[in-house]
Amino acid sequence: EIVLTQSPDFQSVTPKEKVTITCRASQSIGSSLHWYQQKPGQSPKLLIKYSSQSISGVPSRFSGSGSGTDFTLTINSLEAEDAAAYFCHQTGSLPRTFGQGTKLEIK
Amino acid sequence: EVQLVESGGDLVQPGGSLRLSCAASGFTFSSFYMTWVRQAPGKGLEWVATIKEDGGEKYYVDSVKGRFTISRDNAKNSLYLQMNSLRAEDTAIYYCARHIDLWGRGTLVTVTS
Repeated sequence: EIVLTQSPDFQSVTPKEKVTITCRASQSIGSSLHWYQQKPGQSPKLLIKYSSQSISGVPSRFSGSGSGTDFTLTINSLEAEDAAAYFCHQTGSLPRTFGQGTKLEIK
Repeated sequence: EVQLVESGGDLVQPGGSLRLSCAASGFTFSSFYMTWVRQAPGKGLEWVATIKEDGGEKYYVDSVKGRFTISRDNAKNSLYLQMNSLRAEDTAIYYCARHIDLWGRGTLVTVTS
């Protein structure tokens, strides 16, 4: 089973700040890594697919990069509405797995 | 409107059974892998099962193998999850998802005596 380890687990940030969340896979998964945002009481929303592919309707301040075992989600110029939990998810190997999540708090 | 709507969640005793359903609309259901993902209260996401477009191949997380069965009816644009021998640790919101990009709002399954 591929274990996805996100860091940090929690981050408190101010608006307009740049945020970087990392996701490390225990084995190579190529580019089969996706990022989700989940707000309280809501289902996860896809932000980035296949490491770096943008999603229609998702603000351009969200971007992704990486391949193999190391991946990054970057949020440029953070906005208050970005307060949420963020999860990475791999579909490169069975069983599919998720990272433990990163909770972003806006100061 | 493109959407997924889950139903069937309930309160059930340990050892009991439940069948979840997911109704798809607004897209060609038969063209997509479909997946169930669950989230225990206050916890992270856990992939449960995935089924190929034609239902010919199914994949499960180890913790549900032999107890849960994923299936689909492409004529009815519906996805199912038959859950047997339920345990307290199966308590979660169960989400239906289209491959990776579209999720339903979820249905709550509570397993308790």
